[in-house]
Amino acid sequence: DVKVTQSSRYLVKRTGEKVFLECVQDMDHENMFWYRQDPGLGLRLIYFSYDVKMKEKGDIPEGYSVSREKKERFSLILESASTNQTSMYLCASSRGTSGRGTDTQYFGPGTRLTVL
Amino acid sequence: GQNIDQPTEMTATEGAIVQINCTYQTSGFNGLFWYQQHAGEAPTFLSYNVLDGLEEKGRFSSFLSRSKGYSYLLLKELQMKDSASYLCAVTDSNYQLIWGAGTKLIIKP
Repeated sequence: DVKVTQSSRYLVKRTGEKVFLECVQDMDHENMFWYRQDPGLGLRLIYFSYDVKMKEKGDIPEGYSVSREKKERFSLILESASTNQTSMYLCASSRGTSGRGTDTQYFGPGTRLTVL
Repeated sequence: GQNIDQPTEMTATEGAIVQINCTYQTSGFNGLFWYQQHAGEAPTFLSYNVLDGLEEKGRFSSFLSRSKGYSYLLLKELQMKDSASYLCAVTDSNYQLIWGAGTKLIIKP
């Protein structure tokens, strides 16, 4: 079974803090994604990566950055957390054999981040 | 703009059948996914349709009509564990995945 793990299930941070969210997958997938999920909205893509050290902006990259130094690990960084970044953050991975939008994505359990 | 519409919430009875609809307006089409997400958990893959028609997988079936921009997920013999949100997502012509807001399904005994 594909396993995607995220470093924390719940996180509480203060405005202005730097926040690191880590994601690890164990299936040698090429593609990795970071989404945020808010009530009443669909999943919104923040960043994705299709290879080590490669990254592309998604729909809402402002206020976020990412790092992919190893194939299995994809980190999301909030440089200076703000209250409007309070959300559920979901990491996902996919094989990447036929384009990032047609492969099944496997999700981690999510990190519920609260910024006070 | 690109848009995916699903009902916000539906209620059904244990043992019954429920159909969750999804309509989409996207720039091109390269496939449609359904995912299930239990409260507080990760979304998990249910089905993928790229051609018109019905695909059956146990108690769950998914239907697609590309000409109508329409899909539905059919759940039969409902069980309490089917209480979850069901997410519809469409791959557009740029191979970007566009997500609907999800339908929360409540199953009553």
